[in-house]
Amino acid sequence: QVQLVQSGSELKKPGASVKVSCKSSGYTFTNYAMNWVRQAPGQRPEWMGWINTDTGNPTYVQGFAGRFVFSLDTSVSTAYLEINSLKSEDTAVYYCARDTYYDSSGRSEYWGQGTLVTVSS
Amino acid sequence: DIVMTQTPLSLPVTPGEPASISCRSSRSLLNGDDGNIFLDWYLQKPGQSPQLLIYTLSYRASGVPDRFSGSGSGTDFTLKISRVEADDVGVYYCMQRKEFPYSFGQGTRLDIK
Repeated sequence: QVQLVQSGSELKKPGASVKVSCKSSGYTFTNYAMNWVRQAPGQRPEWMGWINTDTGNPTYVQGFAGRFVFSLDTSVSTAYLEINSLKSEDTAVYYCARDTYYDSSGRSEYWGQGTLVTVSS
Repeated sequence: DIVMTQTPLSLPVTPGEPASISCRSSRSLLNGDDGNIFLDWYLQKPGQSPQLLIYTLSYRASGVPDRFSGSGSGTDFTLKISRVEADDVGVYYCMQRKEFPYSFGQGTRLDIK
């Protein structure tokens, strides 16, 4: 069965970096796009963008380009989200969500369990 | 960007009774090429990831009971639960994926009376 398992919670200081992993199993990793979604405490989910898991080409929502980086290691079927120069407003749960198609359609039936990133001095 | 607005924000329901959630988009979600309306519904149970309930306006995701149904037009949408059960509690979100950036409504919290 399809599973997405994310790395554990992180506590970071402002200005630091963090890398969240999302390990996939139960399907061919490179056949489906991987979406990334952020959910700040008590807020609605927010679409960050997606990465083509075959070509490695990322697409970022405006506002997430620059400090946020999507990457892959296809040898271990894992997608990564790296956030640089962390700010307090980056405190949120970050989700990976497997798309239904090769390119992102936004339709995601499979989600990781979420990774809480807390940014605090 | 397309803005999604849900009502009500809170919905207390007696088990066995029906429930209805509305969602409105700031622009039409109708794809003129194929006639599809790219509106999905998710349920986020307490402490869990969002789970897809309905996609492309009215198609139930795998394993979703037929108590859940979606309907609507280009900008106005409804999620209906025919008979609410205790396991249905959580926050319901509509989400548009007609245009990038995809966007969610602010959520409707359903709880049991």
